[in-house]
Amino acid sequence: EAEVAQSPRYKITEKSQAVAFWCDPISGHATLYWYRQILGQGPELLVQFQDESVVDDSQLPKDRFSAERLKGVDSTLKIQPAELGDSAMYLCASSPGGTQYFGPGTRLLVL
Amino acid sequence: GIQVEQSPPDLILQEGANSTLRCNFSDSVNNLQWFHQNPWGQLINLFYIPSGTKQNGRLSATTVATERYSLLYISSSQTTDSGVYFCAVDSIQGAQKLVFGQGTRLTINP
Repeated sequence: EAEVAQSPRYKITEKSQAVAFWCDPISGHATLYWYRQILGQGPELLVQFQDESVVDDSQLPKDRFSAERLKGVDSTLKIQPAELGDSAMYLCASSPGGTQYFGPGTRLLVL
Repeated sequence: GIQVEQSPPDLILQEGANSTLRCNFSDSVNNLQWFHQNPWGQLINLFYIPSGTKQNGRLSATTVATERYSLLYISSSQTTDSGVYFCAVDSIQGAQKLVFGQGTRLTINP
């Protein structure tokens, strides 16, 4: 069964450093999402792509976060500079329309 | 935006017991999904159920769209059922983005 891939699975960094996360969606899924989950809460959408276009990035802190999906397939989420409050789980999901399928996530700790 | 409330926030049961988790939402929905988040943080799809009833083994779910709620039933609980269960919805006005509830933390004791 096809799965959403994410890397790295864990990342420890110091504040003010740059970090990047990678996501490879299920083949053929046009829609890709990045969510952030703070400990004890439900995930919240950061950015949504339809193919290579951004559909919704209203909750993305654009002063430090950026996301791209250049060829409409895999995607990268970057944080520069990282802050202590960015410590969270970053989840990628993809969808053919309807059901969303989630990857294993990247757990980020900012020291 | 749409609001999602899950109850109870925490549930502790003995192995073999049955449980019912509830999800209330504030607007009409295109999509409703139930997830189980395992101890490693991965969200496992349980059901895609914007309306009606579905069953998968010991789990079943019912969504009454007209009354804006969904129920997840777990029968004969096992310790491996422990974890956090999330309900997530996409409103009809939404652009296929999921809004999650705060989750129900289920603990099954042996």
